[in-house]
Amino acid sequence: DAKTTQPTSMDCAEGRAANLPCNHSTISGNEYVYWYRQIHSQGPQYIIHGLKNNETNEMASLIITEDRKSSTLILPHATLRDTAVYYCIVRLTQGGSEKLVFGKGTKLTVNP
Amino acid sequence: NAGVMQNPRHLVRRRGQEARLRCSPMKGHSHVYWYRQLPEEGLKFMVYLQKENIIDESGMPKERFSAEFPKEGPSILRIQQVVRGDSAAYFCASSRVHGTNEKLFFGSGTQLSVL
Repeated sequence: DAKTTQPTSMDCAEGRAANLPCNHSTISGNEYVYWYRQIHSQGPQYIIHGLKNNETNEMASLIITEDRKSSTLILPHATLRDTAVYYCIVRLTQGGSEKLVFGKGTKLTVNP
Repeated sequence: NAGVMQNPRHLVRRRGQEARLRCSPMKGHSHVYWYRQLPEEGLKFMVYLQKENIIDESGMPKERFSAEFPKEGPSILRIQQVVRGDSAAYFCASSRVHGTNEKLFFGSGTQLSVL
């Protein structure tokens, strides 16, 4: 089962920052937080991941709280093409398997 | 550097037939994961393989489904005697090495339709 909680849906105006929250209150010290997105029926696309420090790349920024119980994905200037389902995933190790377990995600709609 | 390649993109089978889905991981990647996405649902993990080994098959249905990742060639997800409930999008992902700090890259998927 997924270890994260995300809002079901969010809206954002084009050109504004999109801030997508995620709760992962049961996260363990060595578990990474990953963000993926799925546009329509395409394959999931990697966005960013982190352990405890904030991370930034060309797509987004990831802000992880100091207690690591929650995080926020920030798309600094959302475009219409950012409309997608965004998945926050805590990646854990179970018996040597390190699969990603997807939850329901947040459906982000970017409006013109 | 080509991404994860899945084929066919679309596969139509009649009930009772076999479906074979192929996944070629990214160059240099030796870990493969298969996921299934039913219509209007999220992605469900099926199986995790390394070359010639099944590491985690906890998400595989007990019957009719099998997966392999041979030393040479693509990973194959095989579904025998397909039923309408098998209609779904099947995604493959690959990673370079073992580890929770290692990104998974996904293919574009195979859409299986069972008539």
